[in-house]
Amino acid sequence: TQLLEQSPQFLSIQEGENLTVYCNSSSVFSSLQWYRQEPGEGPVLLVTVVTGGEVKKLKRLTFQFGDARKDSSLHITAAQPGDTGLYLCAGFDNYGQNFVFGPGTRLSVLP
Amino acid sequence: GAVVSQHPSRVICKSGTSVKIECRSLDFQATTMFWYRQFPKKSLMLMATSNEGSKATYEQGVEKDKFLINHASLTLSTLTVTSAHPEDSSFYICSARDRKTDRGYSPLHFGNGTRLTVT
Repeated sequence: TQLLEQSPQFLSIQEGENLTVYCNSSSVFSSLQWYRQEPGEGPVLLVTVVTGGEVKKLKRLTFQFGDARKDSSLHITAAQPGDTGLYLCAGFDNYGQNFVFGPGTRLSVLP
Repeated sequence: GAVVSQHPSRVICKSGTSVKIECRSLDFQATTMFWYRQFPKKSLMLMATSNEGSKATYEQGVEKDKFLINHASLTLSTLTVTSAHPEDSSFYICSARDRKTDRGYSPLHFGNGTRLTVT
């Protein structure tokens, strides 16, 4: 099973600040997904990145997939309290069978 | 969009009883369904992978006789926690992979989870 690591594990910032969270692996992933989860609910898909070097934007969120497809980042501009949640990166390994999650980054945006 | 319905959302049961959790793909057929367990403030831990019509594949350390998984159709998978104990209390989440978009990069669709409390 390939491991995904995320950093930081916890992040508490003020409304309006920018932040970046990272997802890293020593293995190549065919794709990576980013999810956000709120307490008591299932994860909600934010984006899928497939191509090395790919950049996707979702309003104030910018996702990047590393050239070697071993890492990804999520950048949030002008964070809002509504961005608070657990951000998880996840992906299928190169065989497309095992879907693994990173440990998550717990973000708290204070008003 | 693809919807996965998980039921019940919350269940409280007595120690020693069994609890069944259902996971349904409402508007797509799922070749594969995944079951996860999540502890407070932790990430999702894959328990098992089930493919329609075949036996589930369990992750290391997960007791297959305790967590029975049945993937009877392309739209339904069930997880039964047998002889539940307080340490089985947790948040259980299912997810499904759409048969039509079943490629190496297709994302999973998640249910809203089931909060199990064993007293």
